[in-house]
Amino acid sequence: GEDVEQSLFLSVREGDSSVINCTYTDSSSTYLYWYKQEPGAGLQLLTYIFSNMDMKQDQRLTVLLNKKDKHLSLRIADTQTGDSAIYFCAEKEDQAGTALIFGKGTTLSVSS
Amino acid sequence: GAVVSQHPSRVICKSGTSVKIECRSLDFQATTMFWYRQFPKKSLMLMATSNEGSKATYEQGVEKDKFLINHASLTLSTLTVTSAHPEDSSFYICSARGPYTETQYFGPGTRLLVL
Repeated sequence: GEDVEQSLFLSVREGDSSVINCTYTDSSSTYLYWYKQEPGAGLQLLTYIFSNMDMKQDQRLTVLLNKKDKHLSLRIADTQTGDSAIYFCAEKEDQAGTALIFGKGTTLSVSS
Repeated sequence: GAVVSQHPSRVICKSGTSVKIECRSLDFQATTMFWYRQFPKKSLMLMATSNEGSKATYEQGVEKDKFLINHASLTLSTLTVTSAHPEDSSFYICSARGPYTETQYFGPGTRLLVL
């Protein structure tokens, strides 16, 4: 079945860049997402990328997709303490109306 | 745009009672709504997919008679946890997608504690 893997923890200093990595197994994935979850809260959609793209940039966020290796990364430039949260990678297959498959989430800790 | 609300945000109930959680899309029509369950420090597990006007499709291992899902309108889906037990305590999150997009927008979640 489909599987999404992420490293569980990442610790960075304020002002540094953070890179969160994700690998997935479903080659039919068409949409790949990054969600942010702050403590006790729901999920906030950060950004997404279609499988026919290699890169997407949105302000401090850069998403890189290596479809051959099924590897997705999220880079946060100039990381702030407010970026501390759990970041979930999720994939969706190319079929209308199907649900997302999530990784276990990467806890990002930003120290000042 | 694309706001999804959930109510209540927190609920504490006694074992054996039923609890209803509402999920609403506030500014778009949600043709499909999903219900996820999140265990502490774990990822989200899909419980069921519901399309407006039809019966929900439950994932393997999810008891449909225990977790009743109704999606009677394009803006509202409800999850009822029947005869709740302490092991049902969890964080329940819904998401919704509109008719012309595959992007899902999530509600803020409902924390259920069964005593």
